[in-house]
Amino acid sequence: DAGVIQSPRHEVTEMGQEVTLRCKPISGHDYLFWYRQTMMRGLELLIYFNNNVPIDDSGMPEDRFSAKMPNASFSTLKIQPSEPRDSAVYFCASSLVAGFQETQYFGPGTRLLVL
Amino acid sequence: SQQGEEDPQALSIQEGENATMNCSYKTSINNLQWYRQNSGRGLVHLILIRSNEREKHSGRLRVTLDTSKKSSSLLITASRAADTASYFCATESGGSNYKLTFGKGTLLTVNP
Repeated sequence: DAGVIQSPRHEVTEMGQEVTLRCKPISGHDYLFWYRQTMMRGLELLIYFNNNVPIDDSGMPEDRFSAKMPNASFSTLKIQPSEPRDSAVYFCASSLVAGFQETQYFGPGTRLLVL
Repeated sequence: SQQGEEDPQALSIQEGENATMNCSYKTSINNLQWYRQNSGRGLVHLILIRSNEREKHSGRLRVTLDTSKKSSSLLITASRAADTASYFCATESGGSNYKLTFGKGTLLTVNP
């Protein structure tokens, strides 16, 4: 059974370019989360969806970041324009249903480097 | 801001020894979870303890929760080199938003 799938695994781009990160959650999971991990700030929740609807985007750093979930099996996180401070590892995670006892299943991450 | 804070930030032990990591948090919680992250990988869920539980075991893992002190500990017994990883606590505080808040982690190195 495939877990959470993310692509690309690595991305190197130049400042000002658009970056699109992709995620396929585990089939049947109703929740999808986007996180960013850096040494300085640790693991930060950017946004999460429930049944394809964004529920909390308070962690999105600024308008340059946007996320969509057009269907239950696909989500994108877009950065436009990208800046060097966006360099981080971006994780997607999914969980089954709402509830206090649900665990999250993480993808392998996308390592982004903005030059 | 981080809800959970792990302590210590780094821990180095010999294979066979026990490793204890601590997590403190600030607000009341519904549950607390521990995750492991191997270098270059995503996080993997280890164990969940509910706010009305005090201790939980899973294999070589033992988790305690003290809600009066707002703290939790993760004990790994008889450590192995393969346990080398970063360990994170995550809290879920309930309310209308369902989300986990992660600490910055403890880097555990188990030397063979």
